[in-house]
Amino acid sequence: GESVGLHLPTLSVQEGDNSIINCAYSNSASDYFIWYKQESGKGPQFIIDIRSNMDKRQGQRVTVLLNKTVKHLSLQIAATQPGDSAVYFCADKTNAGGTSYGKLTFGQGTILTVHP
Amino acid sequence: EAGVTQSPTHLIKTRGQQVTLRCSPISGHTSVYWYQQALGLGLQFLLWYDEGEERNRGNFPPRFSGRQFPNYSSELNVNALELEDSALYLCASSFGGGKVEQYFGPGTRLTVT
Repeated sequence: GESVGLHLPTLSVQEGDNSIINCAYSNSASDYFIWYKQESGKGPQFIIDIRSNMDKRQGQRVTVLLNKTVKHLSLQIAATQPGDSAVYFCADKTNAGGTSYGKLTFGQGTILTVHP
Repeated sequence: EAGVTQSPTHLIKTRGQQVTLRCSPISGHTSVYWYQQALGLGLQFLLWYDEGEERNRGNFPPRFSGRQFPNYSSELNVNALELEDSALYLCASSFGGGKVEQYFGPGTRLTVT
């Protein structure tokens, strides 16, 4: 079935470095791609999203890149801080009807560890 | 503004029992979603309710069911619990199903022994 998956399960960086978290997706009909951050003991927190007709979107210290040719999504975190340590999930959403309507399809997640 | 709240925080049940989990969405949100997060796995979509009706359902057996009340709060019911139902159950809400951003609650940790 359709799925969103991640290349790397763990990522370890030094404080101040830039982090790049990758995600591969298979549903070419997805309308949106979203990144969530989940800290230990908490629910996922929305970080940033990108529409399928865009290639890049920037937020505060984060940039999401979408490459539809190779079905690849990435999240770049600038000047990574210890507070960025968490599990990061990519997800996709389609506004079309049918079995995918309304739901988010999540990838497995990448554990980001930031060392002081 | 209060976020999504869920109760209880933790729950321990025995195989074969039934459980009810509760969720209160952010004020003004009409859609509630339920996801299951088993250990080491990503989030799996369970159910979506909007305006009191079930709008979509994930690939889960019928013993997973729920409902949404007129105040938009929601319950998730799981009957005939199995060991593999042990997971974190997350509730999310949004301003209707067309919105991209879903706001998640802290989850209910269910352990089935």
